[in-house]
Amino acid sequence: NAGVTQTPKFQVLKTGQSMTLQCAQDMNHNSMYWYRQDPGMGLRLIYYSASEGTTDKGEVPNGYNVSRLNKREFSLRLESAAPSQTSVYFCASITGGGYGYTFGSGTRLTVV
Amino acid sequence: AQTVTQSQPEMSVQEAETVTLSCTYDTSESDYYLFWYKQPPSRQMILVIRQEAYKQQNATENRFSVNFQKAAKSFSLKISDSQLGDAAMYFCARMNYGGSQGNLIFGKGTKLSVKP
Repeated sequence: NAGVTQTPKFQVLKTGQSMTLQCAQDMNHNSMYWYRQDPGMGLRLIYYSASEGTTDKGEVPNGYNVSRLNKREFSLRLESAAPSQTSVYFCASITGGGYGYTFGSGTRLTVV
Repeated sequence: AQTVTQSQPEMSVQEAETVTLSCTYDTSESDYYLFWYKQPPSRQMILVIRQEAYKQQNATENRFSVNFQKAAKSFSLKISDSQLGDAAMYFCARMNYGGSQGNLIFGKGTKLSVKP
């Protein structure tokens, strides 16, 4: 099915461990996004990629890095996980025509 | 800062009744899009309804409609004939028009409960 695929769906990390969240879309969208969702905070933009080969910081980029590997894939890396990074992470691509985003199903990350 | 504000952290409605969720936003742009997203317990983000700022006519999608007041920068969602499946978090969001300005800015959400 066409859409945005995120892996993994759940992850538990120890403080200081690293990991990469994977995201891929098969809709030929140019722009892709990573958000984090925390209770009472809504969704906040971490990083985005307006097109292949470009990435830019969003509202809350500290502690994260991203890679736009190709037009389909946009990964988010935590180099040294901290408990403050416990959150639900969403990847999305822009649908175009002003129809907002297509979202992945989210990754629930817990850092202990 | 260009923000989106949802002033009601939680709302409750009786099944079959009508409920209105509030949203205000701040922007210096004249062209933009506004959205309401629904997030059920499954965590999936589902687009409920969208509004183009240059259109005066309020958007409607079946039981969902909006009251868009551009001058007041207000964008409320009305749910008619509420159903148990409407229980979810609802997020209001704004997106500037075109190009790399496509970042969605979200409000903090309103949790809607539906009582049988």
